[in-house]
Amino acid sequence: GQNIDQPTEMTATEGAIVQINCTYQTSGFNGLFWYQQHAGEAPTFLSYNVLDGLEEKGRFSSFLSRSKGYSYLLLKELQMKDSASYLCAPMDSNYQLIWGAGTKLIIKP
Amino acid sequence: GAVVSQHPSWVICKSGTSVKIECRSLDFQATTMFWYRQFPKQSLMLMATSNEGSKATYEQGVEKDKFLINHASLTLSTLTVTSAHPEDSSFYICSARDNGRETGELFFGEGSRLTVL
Repeated sequence: GQNIDQPTEMTATEGAIVQINCTYQTSGFNGLFWYQQHAGEAPTFLSYNVLDGLEEKGRFSSFLSRSKGYSYLLLKELQMKDSASYLCAPMDSNYQLIWGAGTKLIIKP
Repeated sequence: GAVVSQHPSWVICKSGTSVKIECRSLDFQATTMFWYRQFPKQSLMLMATSNEGSKATYEQGVEKDKFLINHASLTLSTLTVTSAHPEDSSFYICSARDNGRETGELFFGEGSRLTVL
């Protein structure tokens, strides 16, 4: 079956760094996406990894290990506006995104 | 670029009436669009995959006669909730895949919050 495992909730301090881990099992693999979703809003695209390694984009970086079925999203210099849910979504062999429940990130001053 | 517009953002209707939600890709063409439903504090649930010029593919448990999907052009898909009931109250979100991009990331509309009285 297809499965995604992320922590349900994480708490971090403003200005700090946080890493959100994701492990997945899919039928085939065509890359992995990270989306951010603020409460009551639609998800917005953050990153896409298809090859192993780290992709850096400003304060956000995403890492992928295909052999381990593992990815993480790294957020640096945390700001209060980063409080949101972060969704790890691998793409299966049919090019369908598989969605988990996401990780709710709470930023404290 | 890659903007998806969803309308209306909020809708309140009486039980038994039908509601239409539009999803438009403003600056790209999308052969494939997706419709999701999300209940509070729950994950996105894919309802159906909308394909331009052909019938939508519904996920298991989603009634195709209740949730009518039409994808008549490469920039517009509509979801009609027919004979809506209070249990249909939810956040409905569409997403679209840009035909011009090799990667498969989805671009989401703003979502439509439906309340059925």
